[in-house]
Amino acid sequence: DAGVTQSPTHLIKTRGQQVTLRCSPKSGHDTVSWYQQALGQGPQFIFQYYEEEERQRGNFPDRFSGHQFPNYSSELNVNALLLGDSALYLCASSLDSTSTDTQYFGPGTRLTVL
Amino acid sequence: SQKIEQNSEALNIQEGKTATLTCNYTNYSPAYLQWYRQDPGRGPVFLLLIRENEKEKRKERLKVTFDTTLKQSLFHITASQPADSATYLCALLNYNQGGKLIFGQGTELSVKP
Repeated sequence: DAGVTQSPTHLIKTRGQQVTLRCSPKSGHDTVSWYQQALGQGPQFIFQYYEEEERQRGNFPDRFSGHQFPNYSSELNVNALLLGDSALYLCASSLDSTSTDTQYFGPGTRLTVL
Repeated sequence: SQKIEQNSEALNIQEGKTATLTCNYTNYSPAYLQWYRQDPGRGPVFLLLIRENEKEKRKERLKVTFDTTLKQSLFHITASQPADSATYLCALLNYNQGGKLIFGQGTELSVKP
């Protein structure tokens, strides 16, 4: 049973560029959440997707956008990259019956913005 | 303001002892609280979940307590081993905020042989 997978594992971009990160949820899960984790900090919630819709959003600017596909996989897009966007980006999946199900995390994508 | 805070200092203990990690929160009404383990450069790994109406949960050498009056959760690792060395994160799910997990900053645990 495959867990949550993310790609790529590492990425280096320059300021102003755009980036797309990908996530495949754990088998049987239909809900995907994205988090940003700066060095030495806990993960910060970006948004959550369920039934191909953004259901909830954290305090992140519109430069951060996402998408969920019919097979439940998801993408996170970040436009006009800033140095401060350098972080570990984590995807978590869950089986949403009540939205309180345990979230299982992928290994993350390390984004470095130069 | 709303806050969730864990032991700010790293915790260093001797192998075989019990490690106790603290998670305090302010101005939240959590439906449940979770504990995760995170190794450097890796994603968090789920360990235990405790609901607001539960006082204590156990899993092998792990125990978590939840006191909604004190607004605190304690996470214990008994008979600690060097392999338990990692950062431990607490996260709460607040009522009326859907699936948004709110994390503490983590506590780094180091178990010396």
